[in-house]
Amino acid sequence: DTAVSQTPKYLVTQMGNDKSIKCEQNLGHDTMYWYKQDSKKFLKIMFSYNNKELIINETVPNRFSPKSPDKAHLNLHINSLELGDSAVYFCASSQRFGALPIYGYTFGSGTRLTVV
Amino acid sequence: SQQGEEDPQALSIQEGENATMNCSYKTSINNLQWYRQNSGRGLVHLILIRSNEREKHSGRLRVTLDTSKKSSSLLITASRAADTASYFCATDFGNEKLTFGTGTRLTIIP
Repeated sequence: DTAVSQTPKYLVTQMGNDKSIKCEQNLGHDTMYWYKQDSKKFLKIMFSYNNKELIINETVPNRFSPKSPDKAHLNLHINSLELGDSAVYFCASSQRFGALPIYGYTFGSGTRLTVV
Repeated sequence: SQQGEEDPQALSIQEGENATMNCSYKTSINNLQWYRQNSGRGLVHLILIRSNEREKHSGRLRVTLDTSKKSSSLLITASRAADTASYFCATDFGNEKLTFGTGTRLTIIP
């Protein structure tokens, strides 16, 4: 019954590798997001998709590429991983009315990415 | 930066006491939200308060919003050990993204 599920939960990989994180929500929400939380717990938005359309792309390196095959899925692919990419990546979803949320966001449990 | 700031950064209280956390922001908002994050877990939405609202309650939680001072507070009454977590305020400026503050680390001492 998980509302927003991300896989994998942990990801350890070497510099230069390419990896993907998958996210699925079963809430029927129309908007999905990727957030990055750094070691100081600071959360920063990376991308937002509304009904499969990219809405927000926050000065994220081109090595990060989101893909939304349908409004229930938002995956994140990262090319040529760097040490600085180590962080916890959270997927979230919300239902919006225009530009505004109807309720709060629902977050996944996070993917802890460690680049060595 | 549009980022909100929570105060204090860390708070330790005895179980049963009330905990108050504050959030300040810089520009006009549409709504403000509070989230809880337990260690190693995702964020859980607690309360959303819109700019035309002044106070909201949910169980032991009370959130106030003062748009003239650009500040909000989260009060947790009769704290429990399970309330130990980080608490974040997040501001929505109506630009389709939620901007999170720096968080308050709350520790409840049994």
